Amino acid sequence: DTAVSQTPKYLVTQMGNDKSIKCEQNLGHDTMYWYKQDSKKFLKIMFSYNNKELIINETVPNRFSPKSPDKAHLNLHINSLELGDSAVYFCASSPRQRDTQYFGPGTRLTVL
Amino acid sequence: AQSVTQLDSQVPVFEEAPVELRCNYSSSVSVYLFWYVQYPNQGLQLLLKYLSGSTLVKGINGFEAEFNKSQTSFHLRKPSVHISDTAEYFCAVSDNTNAGKSTFGDGTTLTVKP
Repeated sequence: DTAVSQTPKYLVTQMGNDKSIKCEQNLGHDTMYWYKQDSKKFLKIMFSYNNKELIINETVPNRFSPKSPDKAHLNLHINSLELGDSAVYFCASSPRQRDTQYFGPGTRLTVL
Repeated sequence: AQSVTQLDSQVPVFEEAPVELRCNYSSSVSVYLFWYVQYPNQGLQLLLKYLSGSTLVKGINGFEAEFNKSQTSFHLRKPSVHISDTAEYFCAVSDNTNAGKSTFGDGTTLTVKP
């Protein structure tokens, strides 16, 4: 039973395309996150939702739009993909804000 | 604003030797501190955390860390490392500002050599 799952695991696409990454957690957690990890392994938070409400929105281009249809799901849609968007994107969840985060396996996005 | 500094970007060590990975943080309020490990091609997983109470925290895989409020540090230690400990290690801090956001350090690559 995977606690935090992401699909797809790999995503290769052309510049200018629109793509989505899906995340689901079966832990019953209230808070979910999206992180971007670059090629140097630096990890930066992008968004956080608590009970389907957006609570953290870092300085991220508005081409990135998160959507949380329910507490168990947090999807990330990216419009007009650019080369600099290539990275590994991690979804995570936690029982409450400030608490331990449980990470998904990551989605490796490559923009050509 | 909170911040985290991991003082060593790479730590090479021989198998069965002790290791210390250093982490300093900055925050004006009370903090929660975490160490996460990331094995190659995987997501992060929790090693240990400090929320309150005893300043010496024990985690999984024989790791421990000590919270030092006066030095604003949370260094990670293991008395004897294994090849399987080779991974990326991240220190993180969260406080009760900014919706409890966690700020991660830049990571330390631990390489254990035979």
